[in-house]
Amino acid sequence: GAVVSQHPSWVICKSGTSVKIECRSLDFQATTMFWYRQFPKQSLMLMATSNEGSKATYEQGVEKDKFLINHASLTLSTLTVTSAHPEDSSFYICSARGWLGELFFGEGSRLTVL
Amino acid sequence: DAKTTQPPSMDCAEGRAANLPCNHSTISGNEYVYWYRQIHSQGPQYIIHGLKNNETNEMASLIITEDRKSSTLILPHATLRDTAVYYCIVRVVVTGNQFYFGTGTSLTVIP
Repeated sequence: GAVVSQHPSWVICKSGTSVKIECRSLDFQATTMFWYRQFPKQSLMLMATSNEGSKATYEQGVEKDKFLINHASLTLSTLTVTSAHPEDSSFYICSARGWLGELFFGEGSRLTVL
Repeated sequence: DAKTTQPPSMDCAEGRAANLPCNHSTISGNEYVYWYRQIHSQGPQYIIHGLKNNETNEMASLIITEDRKSSTLILPHATLRDTAVYYCIVRVVVTGNQFYFGTGTSLTVIP
């Protein structure tokens, strides 16, 4: 299957700093990517839909100014958590849609805010 | 906004078939059924999907009832590495259409 890679796989930062997570589709072009967040023992929660060359679409309750999404090319989307706080600590997962409509997911990025 | 219902947990003996049910009684005619699984602290892994007919691949089989209101994912010979949370998702296959995850079934394969 298609490969989606995230970087970094884990990051620890101080409260108030910003953290950028990259999501790359390695062997296919993805006009649409999705960002999810997952808290311990919970399911994945869709945060936003990232469209190449246009603004992201955020789910209700997700602050667009706090979670900045950029999808500048067909193989790269980035999520920046701005002014991170401990409650933003979570597992962030990106995905890209394949040509059959299925989603391929990255390995996830675990963010810990101290 | 999940449209599926799954049992929260199941056990299966190693080497036996694991049958994971999913109810999607409000499924629309153009909605597919997708199955993913998530092993602890990893991103979800695509397993299989289908519309009406039963489907089989190297990982699993998907059995969809004739009225399409429920389906069953079958892992024919479960191994310890199949221990994971399994998610059943229904969605329309159109550009940008989102996947919403429900609570899934936590499958434990027992030696």
